[in-house]
Amino acid sequence: QSALTQPASVSGSPGQSITISCTGTSSDVGGYNYVSWYQQHPGKAPKLMIYDVSDRPSGISSRFSGSKSGSTASLTISGLQAEDEADYYCSSYTSSNTVIFGGGTKLTVL
Amino acid sequence: EVQLVESGGGLVQPGGSLRLSCAASGFIFSSYWMSWVRQAPGKGLEWVANIKRDGSEKNYVDSVRGRFTIARDNAKKSLYLQMNSLRADDTAVYYCARAVTTFGVVIQFDFWGQGTPVTVSS
Repeated sequence: QSALTQPASVSGSPGQSITISCTGTSSDVGGYNYVSWYQQHPGKAPKLMIYDVSDRPSGISSRFSGSKSGSTASLTISGLQAEDEADYYCSSYTSSNTVIFGGGTKLTVL
Repeated sequence: EVQLVESGGGLVQPGGSLRLSCAASGFIFSSYWMSWVRQAPGKGLEWVANIKRDGSEKNYVDSVRGRFTIARDNAKKSLYLQMNSLRADDTAVYYCARAVTTFGVVIQFDFWGQGTPVTVSS
């Protein structure tokens, strides 16, 4: 099964909002509300930021939000801050009873 | 505080074997499915394997099925990954992750270890 499709990079200035897309198929993103987003700083472990499309774990800033339309999920970060600069990965449960990830998006805060 | 600490990575020749370990603390280990996820150098994340709370069910990505074996010891609060017949494309950082399940299937991962690097090269 192919990885979910994410843009390789996005950028924004402090205070702005950015959106990262994650496109799959009806067998994964489009078929289930089990999309997650992870933040990974260089050399660090991934950190769960959004689960079940739009829910935030305890302790995650409300500046992070998630949504889904059809087979495309999105992560929006509002009020961009320097510490948001990281790689972001989406993931989805699939009809093959596996979890697949996107290729990752590098967020640069200008 | 949930903690996952991996160990056992290193340099191994193609065709060789390696056993990774993950020590868990800060939660009831036996109550959770556990997983291994890897990340090749400069690449994205790839789910590798899952194991049920009691070890009775295991799932693998196609590329490692038959070569890798996931196991756990709930008394020791530890997760393992036995890797045999290693290939160059198995080179990656291997992360231990606590799995989130619904209706008996793994849907995401809520806590991750720092990872242990595995390099397969002659």
